[in-house]
This record gives sequence, C-alpha cells and structure tokens, in this order.
Amino acid sequence: DAGVIQSPRHEVTEMGQEVTLRCKPISGHDYLFWYRQTMMRGLELLIYFNNNVPIDDSGMPEDRFSAKMPNASFSTLKIQPSEPRDSAVYFCASSYGGGVREQYFGPGTRLTVT
Amino acid sequence: QKEVEQNSGPLSVPEGAIASLNCTYSDRGSQSFFWYRQYSGKSPELIMSIYSNGDKEDGRFTAQLNKASQYVSLLIRDSQPSDSATYLCAVKGRLGGGGADGLTFGKGTHLIIQP
Repeated sequence: DAGVIQSPRHEVTEMGQEVTLRCKPISGHDYLFWYRQTMMRGLELLIYFNNNVPIDDSGMPEDRFSAKMPNASFSTLKIQPSEPRDSAVYFCASSYGGGVREQYFGPGTRLTVT
Repeated sequence: QKEVEQNSGPLSVPEGAIASLNCTYSDRGSQSFFWYRQYSGKSPELIMSIYSNGDKEDGRFTAQLNKASQYVSLLIRDSQPSDSATYLCAVKGRLGGGGADGLTFGKGTHLIIQP
C-alpha cells in the first residue's frame, strides 16, 4: 500500500514567487497534518484537517501561508509571496483517527527560497 | 504554550551498550507521548508510544513515562550502528478529537553508535 505522497520533492524558487506543495494522504486516513522542519525551530505543526475540515491552524506563521483540502485524497499548502525564511522541509502526515493513533509521514518537500 | 525539551547531543554510545534518551515537557495535561526516529534526509518514523506511567518494552526499545515529573525517556539496549539517527520526542495534548491532535516535537537528540 502506498504511503503518504508529497510533491514536489525539491523546490527552488525566488523570493516573491508563489509556491504550492501537494500531499496525498494514505487512503482511508481521515486526519492530515502539515509540519515544517528547520534547524533552528525543529519540527513544527502548521495546520491539520479532520475529514477535510481545518481543525487547528494556529501554527500557520502568517497570512502568506494557506492550506486547503478539497477532498479526502488531496491537500495543498501554498505560500504567497515566498520569502527566504520560508526555506525548510515541509512534511505532510496522515492518520486514521486522532488521539493516540500513529501519524505516518511523507518523504517531505525541501523548499529553498533564494 | 506546549514545550518539549531534549538534549541536542550528540550522544555517543559504544556498540552493544545501552543508549538513554531523555525528554521533558511543560504541559501537565499531556496524555500521550511518542518517540520518532529520523535518519538524515528522511522523514520521521514512529518507534514507540506510551500513555501510562511506567515502562513499555518493544524489542530492544523501552519507553519510560513519569507524568508527575513530566519526563519521558527511551532506552535502546544492545545499540547497533544502524540506531545512529536523531530521536524526536513528541507530545500530544489530550486523547480524542478537538484541536489537540497535532504533535508538539522536541528538537531531537542526535545519537551516534560507535562500532
């Protein structure tokens, strides 16, 4: 069975450009999480969805970031406009059920903003 | 604000010895605790979860939880070079749904197993 799929795996863009990261969760999972990892701040939760509905977006750093989940098998994280400080690895994770259920992480998207 | 603290390391342990990794957390209401392993350039993978005070063993791994002291630890017995990785402690606020299903991670401890 396929795991969490993320695309692109690497993205290099110039400051001010729009960036869209994509995630396909594991089939049947009803929770989807977006995390960001940097050396300075570690792994941080940005936003998560339950049954395609955003539940907690308190980790989204500012209005330049937005996330959507139009259906159970697809989510996007968009940054517009991008800035060099957005450079990080962005992980998508999914789980079946919340609470104590295991979250399965995708391979991540390494974003570099120059 | 939830905080999870770990010693960044590196922690160097000889092959075959016991590696001991520690984690403290600030939110006394936290209910569930996880240890993830992350190899360089890879995504985190779950190796242990623990919800009740005491010890939980799974193969060479033992997780220990002390809620009164707000302390979680991971012991790795018979350490192997393949255990060399960064170990992330993660905490979840409360069981069930609502706005508390995301994980709060520590920054991780870099473990090196010396052959």
